[in-house]
Amino acid sequence: QLQLQESGSGLVKPSQTLSLTCAVSGGSISSGGYSWSWIRQPPGKGLEWIGYIYHSGSTYYNPSLKSRVTISVDRSKNQFSLKLSSVTAADTAVYYCARYKGAFDYWGQGTLVTVSS
Amino acid sequence: EIVLTQSPGTLSLSPGERATLSCRASQSVSSSYLAWYQQKPGQAPRLLIYGASSRATGIPDRFSGSGSGTDFTLTISRLEPEDFAVYYCNKLTFGGGTKVEIK
Repeated sequence: QLQLQESGSGLVKPSQTLSLTCAVSGGSISSGGYSWSWIRQPPGKGLEWIGYIYHSGSTYYNPSLKSRVTISVDRSKNQFSLKLSSVTAADTAVYYCARYKGAFDYWGQGTLVTVSS
Repeated sequence: EIVLTQSPGTLSLSPGERATLSCRASQSVSSSYLAWYQQKPGQAPRLLIYGASSRATGIPDRFSGSGSGTDFTLTISRLEPEDFAVYYCNKLTFGGGTKVEIK
């Protein structure tokens, strides 16, 4: 059974860079033609897709966040990562990682990141 | 960028009733990429329907999806107590969600 687990700092200061990692177990991040994605959800609000990285390494980002987002993959550790720069309070959210191939079929449990000084 | 608009925002129904949720896209969407998710408080979303009409593994057959082009529908034929939740449609970006609450 595929499992995804987010980790990273739960508290980030304004203007700094948010960094999260998603560890994948029960399957290889390099197999099957899947993409690996980040999605977030501000408290009490809906879901926002941030971007994904293909198994090949190419990336595709939400245009509204593109200038601040970097998603990368570490195949040796079977994990992928998110960096979001110049954060503000509006970036406070639960951040999920998920597998994508036409739909997001496996999700991590989510991790709350708060932006505050 | 495709915008997905879900309606209604909230649906108040009783267990056993039929729920019909709508998702309208700002431009035509390939049915292959239209999905529906269920989310309960404190939990990650769960995939219900992919390819507009195919049920994900383990999803009961009271859940069904239909539609094409710009108009898609999720139907729950008979609401069970565990079905009261928020539902999202998705084609990379997400709709705003429909909350199905107990009347």
